[in-house]
Amino acid sequence: SAVISQKPSRDICQRGTSLTIQCQVDSQVTMMFWYRQQPGQSLTLIATANQGSEATYESGFVIDKFPISRPNLTFSTLTVSNMSPEDSSIYLCSAGDTYMNTEAFFGQGTRLTVV
Amino acid sequence: EDKVVQSPLSLVVHEGDTVTLNCSYEVTNFRSLLWYKQEKKAPTFLFMLTSSGIEKKSGRLSSILDKKELFSILNITATQTGDSAVYLCAGRPRTSGSRLTFGEGTQLTVNP
Repeated sequence: SAVISQKPSRDICQRGTSLTIQCQVDSQVTMMFWYRQQPGQSLTLIATANQGSEATYESGFVIDKFPISRPNLTFSTLTVSNMSPEDSSIYLCSAGDTYMNTEAFFGQGTRLTVV
Repeated sequence: EDKVVQSPLSLVVHEGDTVTLNCSYEVTNFRSLLWYKQEKKAPTFLFMLTSSGIEKKSGRLSSILDKKELFSILNITATQTGDSAVYLCAGRPRTSGSRLTFGEGTQLTVNP
């Protein structure tokens, strides 16, 4: 099983600023995923982070708002740009292997509050 | 578009009760269904189900998948206050990098 270290654990940010969330996996993984969980709702996939290429974004999410980096097979970052109160959510990263049908591992999550 | 629906959305029981949580799914090229428990932020893994009719069990929790009816249930027997959490189910396809589609979750509250 993989262990994912996600930071920061929580942050309170001013509107209009940006926050970068980092996830470090203790082993190489093919795929990393970024989810958002708005208050009282379930997890919604933002994008899939691919090593060596641009991230693949889900409908309703765009690169300008949520730029993602994946410089190697153990690390990824998600930036929440030009934040507004509507961006207040829990952000979670997850890792998995494309070809192995195993559980998906999650980071500890980042609770973001935009004021 | 893949879809996962859970019911009930919330449930309040007393310690010692048995609960059944439901999950129906429509996942193109389905591979597996996963159950997670979420207490604070990070979901913790409970079960992964790939084959129909084979019950997975861990202590007081058990789960089973029906691939014909596109349905799964999670049972918790002799509930305890520590079982209070949101229970999430998620469908995984064979393609698309194994990303998960989550249901809305069931908020379980176990009162003493």
